[in-house]
Amino acid sequence: QVQLVESGGGVVQPGRSLGLSCAASGFTFSSSTMHWVRQAPGKGLEWVAITSYDESIKNYADSVKGRFTISRDNSKNTLYLQMNSLRAEDTALYFCARGVGYSYVDYWGQGTLVTVSS
Amino acid sequence: EIVMTQSPATLSVSPGERATLSCRASHSITNNLAWYQQRPGQAPRLLIYGASTRATGIPARFSGRGSGTEFTLTISSLQSEDFAVYYCQQYNNWPPIFTFGPGTKVDIK
Repeated sequence: QVQLVESGGGVVQPGRSLGLSCAASGFTFSSSTMHWVRQAPGKGLEWVAITSYDESIKNYADSVKGRFTISRDNSKNTLYLQMNSLRAEDTALYFCARGVGYSYVDYWGQGTLVTVSS
Repeated sequence: EIVMTQSPATLSVSPGERATLSCRASHSITNNLAWYQQRPGQAPRLLIYGASTRATGIPARFSGRGSGTEFTLTISSLQSEDFAVYYCQQYNNWPPIFTFGPGTKVDIK
């Protein structure tokens, strides 16, 4: 079955960097569009970034553009999110998710919590 | 930028009753709309895509309708496990940008 397991979350000071990973299994990762979606505590869902199966197409929410980078290693079935210049408003549970083409998301991980605080 | 709105913010329903949730897009998104359910402490789950197609394993009591800018999700007879937050999401942009609505919480009346 499809499994997505995020890791790398933690507490980080404002202005610092943090990298997240998502280990995928149970499907052909190298053929799949992948997303990062986040959810601030007690708030709704916010889409963060997308990458095509071959990284030829990437896009970001305006709120993270220029600070976050999505990438993948298809040989390791792993998705990444490098987050730089972190702000308090980046505090959230970060979900890795599998996309269906460039449309909706059909599977989600359980999330990894990032807290930006001094 | 396409803005998604949902109403009501909270819907109080008794078990066995029907619930109708609304989602509106600021511009036409044809039928490029999905609905997700999120139970407390859990990841979201895909319910509906293409505005009206149920995802694999989703019970028939969930149905979606609409096109353009107005969409609805109907739960025909609420079960205990249906009390959750429901989000709509549009995927009508290129380059790809995805927007979620703010959510509707369905709670027990």
